[in-house]
Amino acid sequence: GAGVSQSPSNKVTEKGKDVELRCDPISGHTALYWYRQSLGQGLEFLIYFQGNSAPDKSGLPSDRFSAERTGGSVSTLTIQRTQQEDSAVYLCASSFFFSTGGYEQYFGPGTRLTVT
Amino acid sequence: AQSVAQPEDQVNVAEGNPLTVKCTYSVSGNPYLFWYVQYPNRGLQFLLKYITGDNLVKGSYGFEAEFNKSQTSFHLKKPSALVSDSALYFCAVRENSGYSTLTFGKGTMLLVSP
Repeated sequence: GAGVSQSPSNKVTEKGKDVELRCDPISGHTALYWYRQSLGQGLEFLIYFQGNSAPDKSGLPSDRFSAERTGGSVSTLTIQRTQQEDSAVYLCASSFFFSTGGYEQYFGPGTRLTVT
Repeated sequence: AQSVAQPEDQVNVAEGNPLTVKCTYSVSGNPYLFWYVQYPNRGLQFLLKYITGDNLVKGSYGFEAEFNKSQTSFHLKKPSALVSDSALYFCAVRENSGYSTLTFGKGTMLLVSP
């Protein structure tokens, strides 16, 4: 079946503009995760959803970042008033149930965000 | 708090030789452990995981990893490296009870020379 898809694959935006990044998880996966990967850094956890709820928003770096998930499927990560330090690859992943079992996460190809 | 350490930023090995990519972890309880691989300009691909049972776990592309509870390690191994194995490898951990997200290490770049 289809894997996790993300759009756009690349996004160049001017400082101060808002951007929306989209993630389509694998069908049937109830858990969805957003990570950020900066050059030379590991993966930074941002937020996760179980269904449409986001129990853990602790990884969001500032109040300029927000995310939502609708219908237990598609998720959108929004960054308002982008800054140059927001430039990174944003990765989305999905998995079966979150809090039980050792279910692996399946990752999308990422969105490379460049803020000029 | 849980954490993962990948002590080597880069591992160099000649094709045909065995390879090891090191990972140590810290969790309050028992761990779920994972290895992922990232090829250039690609997302992460799942390689293998330890949940319970045998300490030696076999995964994709001939990779295996050994869970060592006393040393809190989960090193990735392959008996004979291929040039195509060159990529960025991430180890990840989460506690196997209650609520916790996956914590990833910073990654180890594996370079296999012909």
